[in-house]
Amino acid sequence: GAGVSQSPSNKVTEKGKDVELRCDPISGHTALYWYRQSLGQGLEFLIYFQGNSAPDKSGLPSDRFSAERTGGSVSTLTIQRTQQEDSAVYLCASSSDIAGFSTDTQYFGPGTRLTVL
Amino acid sequence: KNEVEQSPQNLTAQEGEFITINCSYSVGISALHWLQQHPGGGIVSLFMLSSGKKKHGRLIATINIQEKHSSLHITASHPRDSAVYICAVPSNYQLIWGAGTKLIIKP
Repeated sequence: GAGVSQSPSNKVTEKGKDVELRCDPISGHTALYWYRQSLGQGLEFLIYFQGNSAPDKSGLPSDRFSAERTGGSVSTLTIQRTQQEDSAVYLCASSSDIAGFSTDTQYFGPGTRLTVL
Repeated sequence: KNEVEQSPQNLTAQEGEFITINCSYSVGISALHWLQQHPGGGIVSLFMLSSGKKKHGRLIATINIQEKHSSLHITASHPRDSAVYICAVPSNYQLIWGAGTKLIIKP
């Protein structure tokens, strides 16, 4: 498809386990963003990749969270030693951003619903 | 005071009504986003605008940079427009999100 894809769509895990969430951005989009939305809450920025520049990790809530983007395309968000408060929908977005953060339309993936038991 | 405020928080209207959702922000911006989140959780980017007005189908977005205010209008509203509408503005390389407006259009 032509849109942003994410996998898995749903993930249930036990507290303390590690999880990996994947995002495939729109082909050619240089910017990639990760957000999360906890139940009843607004969207929370996590991390931003732009081309080959060092990512903006300022939104990551703890050192248990990390993300990488291989080859400027696919990104993986890893959560180590998951906690119940990590339960949320994790959303990925991409844009053809060139001039800077969010100066172009962001296209969102369907999200991964993470449940930590 | 939140940096991005939306109003109303909830809005219920009859099919066919003209809908207006407002967004005010307190930070300097280069662009503002309007997003739509459906009940299933999927998010669609509706508009990104930095001045003036944009129109897409029955949706119209306007922005007044001097007044730091944007509006999203829906003409001839339809039940399928029922969703949460979110405005978001960039600040310090992050996006600041409004709390969203939950819109319900009744047939």
